[in-house]
Amino acid sequence: GEDVEQSLFLSVREGDSSVINCTYTDSSSTYLYWYKQEPGAGLQLLTYIFSNMDMKQDQRLTVLLNKKDKHLSLRIADTQTGDSAIYFCAETSNSGYSTLTFGKGTMLLVSP
Amino acid sequence: NAGVTQTPKFRVLKTGQSMTLLCAQDMNHEYMYWYRQDPGMGLRLIHYSVGEGTTAKGEVPDGYNVSRLKKQNFLLGLESAAPSQTSVYFCASRGRQAMNTEAFFGQGTRLTVV
Repeated sequence: GEDVEQSLFLSVREGDSSVINCTYTDSSSTYLYWYKQEPGAGLQLLTYIFSNMDMKQDQRLTVLLNKKDKHLSLRIADTQTGDSAIYFCAETSNSGYSTLTFGKGTMLLVSP
Repeated sequence: NAGVTQTPKFRVLKTGQSMTLLCAQDMNHEYMYWYRQDPGMGLRLIHYSVGEGTTAKGEVPDGYNVSRLKKQNFLLGLESAAPSQTSVYFCASRGRQAMNTEAFFGQGTRLTVV
């Protein structure tokens, strides 16, 4: 079945850039997503990228997709303490838009 | 906008008890999902539904049942709770169209089975 892998923890200082990485195995993935979960809350969609794109930029967020290596990254510029959260990579495949497969999540800790 | 609402938010059960978690969405979404979140495991799909009256098994369906009698509601049942079902449960919904890419999540139900 599909598999999505992420590193579990990242620590940065406020003002630095953060890069969270994700790899996936399903070559038929169509949409790839980044969700953010703050403590005690549900997940919120941050951004997504369609599989025929290489890059997407949205304010402080930059998503890079390398389809050949099945590698997705999320870069947060000028990281703030409010960015501290768990970030989940997820994908939907061509087999149906019905299910999302999530990685285990990367905990981002931003220190002042 | 209520979005996706889960009830209850917290529950403690004794082993062997049963309960039903309710998920309600007001966005007229076709797809609904139940996930469980455990430390270090991410979100794992329990069951999902692609429309009223239909359900399907996800990655970890054992010990759970679901029903989708109405489009806006997706119920998750535990017939005989076990300590291994201690978890945080999230419901999500999304539209059917390919461009409706966002899944909306509820705030979660924290369940402890003792």
